[in-house]
Amino acid sequence: EIVLTQSPATLSLSPGERATLSCGASQSVSSSYLAWYQQKPGLAPRLLIYDASSRATGIPDRFSGSGSGTDFTLTISRLEPEDFAVYYCQQYGSSPPGTFGQGTKVEIK
Amino acid sequence: QVQLVQSGAEVKKPGSSVKVSCKASGGTFSSYAISWVRQAPGQGLEWMGRIIPILGIANYAQKFQGRVTITADKSTSTAYMELSSLRSEDTAVYYCARTSGYYGYWGQGTLVTVSS
Repeated sequence: EIVLTQSPATLSLSPGERATLSCGASQSVSSSYLAWYQQKPGLAPRLLIYDASSRATGIPDRFSGSGSGTDFTLTISRLEPEDFAVYYCQQYGSSPPGTFGQGTKVEIK
Repeated sequence: QVQLVQSGAEVKKPGSSVKVSCKASGGTFSSYAISWVRQAPGQGLEWMGRIIPILGIANYAQKFQGRVTITADKSTSTAYMELSSLRSEDTAVYYCARTSGYYGYWGQGTLVTVSS
């Protein structure tokens, strides 16, 4: 089973700053089948990025994903107030599907 | 517009079972897998299992094998997740999600509280 490790656990930044979130996999993720989600308190997660770098419908272009193999990155180019949330990565290239990282909280500094 | 609407909150006794429903509208229900993901209070996301309605085949996370059953009714576009032998650690929000590998659409979540 692939284990996903996200870092850092918490990222303290100010609006307008750039956020860089990492997701490391214990084994290579097949075909870059990696997704990123944003979750706000009391709400279901929202898909941001799939296939490592494709933005989901309606997601602003300040969100971008990159990486392959075992190292993936979610970048938020300029943080907006609504971007402060918890972010999860998820792989779907290997069985069992749907394993998630433990999350990175982006908080206001 | 795809929507997944889940059943309401439940309070259950330890040792009992709970069955949560997830009704889909928009899109083609049978063509996509429906997964169930849970989130304990203050914790991360945990995949429990999934079903492909057109095939009626479900597979489960090893952790829940023998305790969880996921089914789907194509006639009503509804998926179900039943969890048995409940314990306090099963207190969580349970989500259904339409699966294309990644989870593009999510239900609103169902809080299941296990308490004596």
